[in-house]
Amino acid sequence: QVQLAQSGSELKKPGASVKVSCKASGYTFTTYGISWVRQAPGQGLEWMGWINTNTGNPTYAQGFTGRFVFSLDTSVSTAYLQISSLKAEDTAVYYCARVECSTSSCYPHYWGQGTLVTVSS
Amino acid sequence: QSALTQPASVSGSPGQSITISCTETNSGVGDYNYVSWYQQHPGKAPKLIIYDVSNRPSGVSNRFSGSKSGNTASLTISGLQADDEADYYCNSYTSNSYTRGTTSFGTGTKVTVL
Repeated sequence: QVQLAQSGSELKKPGASVKVSCKASGYTFTTYGISWVRQAPGQGLEWMGWINTNTGNPTYAQGFTGRFVFSLDTSVSTAYLQISSLKAEDTAVYYCARVECSTSSCYPHYWGQGTLVTVSS
Repeated sequence: QSALTQPASVSGSPGQSITISCTETNSGVGDYNYVSWYQQHPGKAPKLIIYDVSNRPSGVSNRFSGSKSGNTASLTISGLQADDEADYYCNSYTSNSYTRGTTSFGTGTKVTVL
């Protein structure tokens, strides 16, 4: 069965960097893209962008350029989200999700369990 | 990037039907073609319950149904059950959403079962 297993919670100081992993299993990794979604405490879902796992090409949503980097290691079926120069407002749960495309549209289908990143001095 | 507005909360009694709206409000363009819907219980990851406006993934109850008219999509939950109490989000898609990075989620609706 399709599974996306994310790395554990992180506690970081402002200005530091963090790298969140998302390991896929149960399917051919390069067949489906991976989206990243942020959810700040008590807030809604924000689509951060996605990465084409076939080409490695990332696309970032407005507001997630510069400090946010999506990457892959296809040899271990893993996608990564790296955030640099962390700020308190980056405190959130970060989800990865497998992007599926029907004949009509694309949408995140299977989701990882989420990784809580806390930024605090 | 489109803005998708949902009511903050909707409530209903067990057995009743409720409808959650998702309205595109970016300059009245209304050009998002498709929408998907997600259910999120507290502390859990979102779960896809509707895609392509009205299609249900395998295993999702047929009590969930979706529709779209103009720039407003709707999710209807019929035969409301206690486990339906959760947050619900819509997600827009147009033909270049992923190419341009412009897909977005709605503001979210908290469903309460009275």
